[in-house]
Amino acid sequence: DGGITQSPKYLFRKEGQNVTLSCEQNLNHDAMYWYRQDPGQGLRLIYYSQIVNDFQKGDIAEGYSVSREKKESFPLTVTSAQKNPTAFYLCASSTFESPLHFGNGTRLTVT
Amino acid sequence: DAKTTQPNSMESNEEEPVHLPCNHSTISGTDYIHWYRQLPSQGPEYVIHGLTSNVNNRMASLAIAEDRKSSTLILHRATLRDAAVYYCILSLMNRDDKIIFGKGTRLHILP
Repeated sequence: DGGITQSPKYLFRKEGQNVTLSCEQNLNHDAMYWYRQDPGQGLRLIYYSQIVNDFQKGDIAEGYSVSREKKESFPLTVTSAQKNPTAFYLCASSTFESPLHFGNGTRLTVT
Repeated sequence: DAKTTQPNSMESNEEEPVHLPCNHSTISGTDYIHWYRQLPSQGPEYVIHGLTSNVNNRMASLAIAEDRKSSTLILHRATLRDAAVYYCILSLMNRDDKIIFGKGTRLHILP
């Protein structure tokens, strides 16, 4: 079945370490997105990419980095510069005239 | 900031219809209205979308005001499984934009 896979589901890191969250899709979608969600809050856009080798900052890009070397992959790195990295991270993809398809998220805890 | 306004929470009795409102007074002519819902610890799932005309699918109906400044998601017969956070968002179908989510409406279903 086609879909979006985020791994791992739970991730624990020590403060000061960079960590990379994986997002893979086999839907042949051009656009991919990363959102952050904090408890009781909506989704906030971190980065988005509409085509391979190109991406744009969302509303809260500081402390994060992404790459889009392949159409099916859009990994997100949470750097040590991100002041409050503990959150639920959601990846999504879409294509022209299609709704967003979301993965099931990665819950990152930094202590 | 999100371009839509929704009530923070709503309650409904099981097996009764639910009308979830959304205001989008700054909607442009090329904005589609999308609805998603999110269950706890999962990614949001697509519910329905429309441009100008009312829409029906197996999950719900979408009623769009004539001036397009508001819309209503209608669940015809709520079940306990419909308890979720519902998000109303605006999006250009060509995806040449940031897709911004607000905090949504938390729907509680009473047995």
